Amino acid sequence: DAKTTQPNSMESNEEEPVHLPCNHSTISGTDYIHWYRQLPSQGPEYVIHGLTSNVNNRMASLAIAEDRKSSTLILHRATLRDAAVYYCILRDDNAGNMLTFGGGTRLMVKP
Amino acid sequence: DVKVTQSSRYLVKRTGEKVFLECVQDMDHENMFWYRQDPGLGLRLIYFSYDVKMKEKGDIPEGYSVSREKKERFSLILESASTNQTSMYLCASNSDSGGSYNSPLHFGNGTRLTVT
Repeated sequence: DAKTTQPNSMESNEEEPVHLPCNHSTISGTDYIHWYRQLPSQGPEYVIHGLTSNVNNRMASLAIAEDRKSSTLILHRATLRDAAVYYCILRDDNAGNMLTFGGGTRLMVKP
Repeated sequence: DVKVTQSSRYLVKRTGEKVFLECVQDMDHENMFWYRQDPGLGLRLIYFSYDVKMKEKGDIPEGYSVSREKKERFSLILESASTNQTSMYLCASNSDSGGSYNSPLHFGNGTRLTVT
């Protein structure tokens, strides 16, 4: 299975943009890049996903490198409620729903 | 909004007990999943189901079984609980529309099980 690598933790100031990196150098052509986050004492929450093109939604933006070996989740203005563990996950359409979560990045937001 | 409800937030059981963890989703999703989450190990898939009465083993099915008698309900069963099954258990669901691999997972808030 293709794996992802993320920093263990990152810090941000409130109201500033946050760029959360993810490396996936062994990504295959059929892998979708998904991001989830997990707030304290809650289950993971879907954030965004993409295949090749950059994607935007109300929560975040996803920037995917041209070679697809890395991607970046962008929170445009971090708030204290964005403090969470962020998971970058590859989903293979040949593997159906076998979605594997790694360690993720713990984002801390300072007021 | 999709709601995935897990019946208990906290459970304490004794070694050897039979334990049932219940999960209900309200969006008519075809697929349902059980994960466990442990510090340093991330989320690991125990079992999943893509239809009523259907089940597939995930990465760590040993010591667990599941039941899906109705589309909205997916139960995880610990036949004889052991201390190494102390963990956070998370239920999730998604639909097949657009391809199941592309459909977001919706998670419940988890059941923290302690086996003593």
